[in-house]
Amino acid sequence: AQSVTQPDIHITVSEGASLELRCNYSYGATPYLFWYVQSPGQGLQLLLKYFSGDTLVQGIKGFEAEFKRSQSSFNLRKPSVHWSDAAEYFCAVGAKDGANNLFFGTGTRLTVIP
Amino acid sequence: DVKVTQSSRYLVKRTGEKVFLECVQDMDHENMFWYRQDPGLGLRLIYFSYDVKMKEKGDIPEGYSVSREKKERFSLILESASTNQTSMYLCASSPGDFYEQYFGPGTRLTVT
Repeated sequence: AQSVTQPDIHITVSEGASLELRCNYSYGATPYLFWYVQSPGQGLQLLLKYFSGDTLVQGIKGFEAEFKRSQSSFNLRKPSVHWSDAAEYFCAVGAKDGANNLFFGTGTRLTVIP
Repeated sequence: DVKVTQSSRYLVKRTGEKVFLECVQDMDHENMFWYRQDPGLGLRLIYFSYDVKMKEKGDIPEGYSVSREKKERFSLILESASTNQTSMYLCASSPGDFYEQYFGPGTRLTVT
């Protein structure tokens, strides 16, 4: 069965600093992977996705993520964080086995300090 | 742009009431989903639907039912609301297998 672990519940970074949010997944075959962002009181917005091909994927708002099969990881990065990036971030994994369900991690809350 | 709308942003109901949460998508998507979101637990799948009049249980279906009479509309029903159903409810849709899901803004339900 698929599962997703986001080991960091809460991260605080200074504006302008770099950011890396960790995501580890468990799945027997090649997964497809997503990062979503949720601003307070809002639904989830897709940041980026990985299905196949280049393991470094670019997303919206200057975010990128790298799929590392050997480490079962899909970490999200941003070189310079802006105050508006403060939000909750969710990693999700789907299965290429005919089902279209996604399994979400428990989320990482990002605080940005000036 | 894909648009997923939910009937209410905030809802307050009493214990034992029957509650309907409505979700509508405007992009002719095949699949629709209902999740609940609780702090520290992430998103948990309640029910999903692959087609009109079809429904499948997710991870936590107890106390809920769903209805999909039209392709664009997916309703979540709490037959007899209880305080432990106080939560944020998120609806999502996707065009088919192996596609991302598009989310509505959520309904924050409080049961007193």
